[in-house]
Amino acid sequence: SAVISQKPSRDICQRGTSLTIQCQVDSQVTMMFWYRQQPGQSLTLIATANQGSEATYESGFVIDKFPISRPNLTFSTLTVSNMSPEDSSIYLCSVDRDRAEGYTFGSGTRLTVV
Amino acid sequence: GNSVTQMEGPVTLSEEAFLTINCTYTATGYPSLFWYVQYPGEGLQLLLKATKADDKGSNKGFEATYRKETTSFHLEKGSVQVSDSAVYFCALVDFSGDDKIIFGKGTRLHILP
Repeated sequence: SAVISQKPSRDICQRGTSLTIQCQVDSQVTMMFWYRQQPGQSLTLIATANQGSEATYESGFVIDKFPISRPNLTFSTLTVSNMSPEDSSIYLCSVDRDRAEGYTFGSGTRLTVV
Repeated sequence: GNSVTQMEGPVTLSEEAFLTINCTYTATGYPSLFWYVQYPGEGLQLLLKATKADDKGSNKGFEATYRKETTSFHLEKGSVQVSDSAVYFCALVDFSGDDKIIFGKGTRLHILP
């Protein structure tokens, strides 16, 4: 299965600032996915990032708040903009390189906004 | 639409007890089914999977059988260990649809020594 390196692993940020999260995959993948996991909750899909096109956002998530870059087939970033305490969550990236193996997830970024 | 329902937690068991975490699904197609585990402070790891009816996924002593007739994929382990304490997520992907993975709400498992 794919190996994903995600960083930072955690951060504490001031409200009103922005944080960019990076995900690097060890092989080329068509789609990368970004999720949010609020405390004690399941995962919610934020957006799907395809290389060479705009990311596709799920209902309730907008590009101005969560801009995504996908410059090549092995890398993507998610920015959490103008943060508030409600953005405190774990953010995870994921890829589906091999359908037989299912989805692989990064180790997550634990964000606390103060 | 597709959905996954799993038993509410937390589940607290003593070490060496038998574990069952129930999971049922609703799908219009023929989904693949997964169990993921999230250990404290970590991301999600694939625990096991099954891609068609009657398949049994197994890993680390955990098992789950894809039951089409009952639309279930219950997770079982015969003798749990303290190190199994984690959150377990049941999930499905309909690869004939939009390929999006759909998660259950997760079940937190506490194993007491």
